Amino acid sequence: SQQGEEDPQALSIQEGENATMNCSYKTSINNLQWYRQNSGRGLVHLILIRSNEREKHSGRLRVTLDTSKKSSSLLITASRAADTASYFCATAMAGGTSYGKLTFGQGTILTVHP
Amino acid sequence: NAGVTQTPKFQVLKTGQSMTLQCAQDMNHEYMSWYRQDPGMGLRLIHYSVGAGITDQGEVPNGYNVSRSTTEDFPLRLLSAAPSQTSVYFCASSYLAQSYEQYFGPGTRLTVT
Repeated sequence: SQQGEEDPQALSIQEGENATMNCSYKTSINNLQWYRQNSGRGLVHLILIRSNEREKHSGRLRVTLDTSKKSSSLLITASRAADTASYFCATAMAGGTSYGKLTFGQGTILTVHP
Repeated sequence: NAGVTQTPKFQVLKTGQSMTLQCAQDMNHEYMSWYRQDPGMGLRLIHYSVGAGITDQGEVPNGYNVSRSTTEDFPLRLLSAAPSQTSVYFCASSYLAQSYEQYFGPGTRLTVT
């Protein structure tokens, strides 16, 4: 079963606009990660936020985490055509035997028009 | 560093054939894993390993076998290919602790006819 559910499934915006993607999950987590996948390529790690953090920034990326609502959002500011990709959230569950296991959401397809 | 490498990039199999997807990493990561990606399904964990000689099942292990004889290599074996195994397969690795990012290979696109 999928731990993460992402919303929206697809997002189409113009260059320069902001893009917001949301992720909800079901169980307690150790951390939540966001990945990007360009068409036909492997996933690339973008940012990790731990369960005791509420907000994190990396360049044009801003991630928030609300553990009470079991949800996270990824904001990409001033988007560029090169940001066109699929974006996935992935959760690492709490618990000592979970190791590096991640559970992925279904992804949001972002299209940025020049 | 080459990172995570996978071979082959593309493969077509007939139903019932067997094959091995190769995965190697040169980052000395303890944790390695295999995922399959199907349209609308995200990535699903097939098998994972926390070190040489230690493997375990993920969410969708049926029809697949793994072994980990070295830290660097983690091959995935399809025992008797079925059309339902048509998918894109990704290998990933990371340090063992939960708070580390995973590095993904470029994927193997497998078609079973």
